Amino acid sequence: SQQGEEDPQALSIQEGENATMNCSYKTSINNLQWYRQNSGRGLVHLILIRSNEREKHSGRLRVTLDTSKKSSSLLITASRAADTASYFCATETGANNLFFGTGTRLTVIP
Amino acid sequence: KAGVTQTPRYLIKTRGQQVTLSCSPISGHRSVSWYQQTPGQGLQFLFEYFSETQRNKGNFPGRFSGRQFSNSRSEMNVSTLELGDSALYLCASSLRTSSRETQYFGPGTRLLVL
Repeated sequence: SQQGEEDPQALSIQEGENATMNCSYKTSINNLQWYRQNSGRGLVHLILIRSNEREKHSGRLRVTLDTSKKSSSLLITASRAADTASYFCATETGANNLFFGTGTRLTVIP
Repeated sequence: KAGVTQTPRYLIKTRGQQVTLSCSPISGHRSVSWYQQTPGQGLQFLFEYFSETQRNKGNFPGRFSGRQFSNSRSEMNVSTLELGDSALYLCASSLRTSSRETQYFGPGTRLLVL
């Protein structure tokens, strides 16, 4: 299976702290994307990093990609209660179908 | 621009029945992909349609099928429903001009099979 693994499965932090979640995958990729999902609803795209990029920023989000280790991390700085959600990494290998990780459930305590 | 819409949002069926779910992509998007999300298996790719043709298919039985219309709207059909088909079904649309594009997801259809 090409499905990725995310670590940790669940994370609970205080508002204002930073949250880091990691994703590992198995095959070569074109890009890696991070999505957020609130309570079993649709997925919201957060950020896309291409295979030739190592780091990308978007607002309070910072994503890194290490293709030699087949891993990526998502850092959310200065977390807010509204960041409470499940976060998924997804790899795209060229066929326009995404392979999703198992997800990290983030809880931000006000 | 309006986002991806899916209908119905909730559905209850019984084993053995069949179901059709609908997805309207963002205007101008020609690619529609379908995903199944369950607590046990996570998010899994079902298939992708582009210009009315199935381009990719995931590892699901033939009971799962789909189609795309000339206006890019897509439907997926599940025949002979099983309890394990209970899931959130998500569709996503993209422009599909390259392989490096964001997919935009709809809110999903939650299917419960009794």
